Amino acid sequence: GDSVTQMEGPVTLSEEAFLTINCTYTATGYPSLFWYVQYPGEGLQLLLKATKADDKGSNKGFEATYRKETTSFHLEKGSVQVSDSAVYFCAHTQGGGGADGLTFGKGTHLIIQP
Amino acid sequence: EAQVTQNPRYLITVTGKKLTVTCSQNMNHEYMSWYRQDPGLGLRQIYYSMNVEVTDKGDVPEGYKVSRKEKRNFPLILESPSPNQTSLYFCASMGQGARRNQPQHFGDGTRLSIL
Repeated sequence: GDSVTQMEGPVTLSEEAFLTINCTYTATGYPSLFWYVQYPGEGLQLLLKATKADDKGSNKGFEATYRKETTSFHLEKGSVQVSDSAVYFCAHTQGGGGADGLTFGKGTHLIIQP
Repeated sequence: EAQVTQNPRYLITVTGKKLTVTCSQNMNHEYMSWYRQDPGLGLRQIYYSMNVEVTDKGDVPEGYKVSRKEKRNFPLILESPSPNQTSLYFCASMGQGARRNQPQHFGDGTRLSIL
C-alpha cells in the first residue's frame, strides 16, 4: 500500500549547518507531495509542496524537489536557525482515485542548537 | 482569519465515558478529516468527509464516530473511550478546488488521555 518513509531522528544540528531530511514514498499514480512542520504545542502547517515530477517546492529557505525516478522528496535548507527546531512530516496524497487523505511519514524531530 | 478550531485542547477522562471533540472551520471547505498522532506512528487518518452528510472511514476508524450535518462542523465522537485511544488528535480541512493539489489546514490539536 501507500507509504512514506523518513528518518525519525531526533536530528541535532548546530545553527547555520546544512540540513537534509530524507523522504521516500510509495504510491500509485501521480501523488502530490508535501512537507508539513509542527512547532511545539501547535498543529501542522504546510511548509511546501510539489504537484508533479521535477517540481521544486520552496518556502522559508527550505526546498524539496519531486523526484519521480527515485520516488523521493528530500527536504533541504542551507543554513538552519534555532527557530527551525520542530517536527517535520513528509506526506503525499493518493495518486489514484478515492480518498483525499494524506499519507504521512512518522515525522522527523529536528533540534537546532545555538 | 482562516482557521480550524478544535475543542477542547486537553481532556482527561475515564474509560467508557462518552466524549465529543468538536471541529469547526471558517473557510467554507468541503473536505474535512480527523487524524490521530502517536509516537513512532506519525499521523493516521480516522475518518474523513467529502461534504455535508458524506463521511467515510480512514485507516483507523475503530472506536470512533463522526457526523457532518453542517459544512463547517465535523465532530469526532468516542462513544465508549478506552485507554488505547489516548492520543493527540488533529482536525483538518481542505478546499476541493484542485483536490490533490490543495494543502490541508490543521487545527492546533486535542490531547486526550483516557484513564
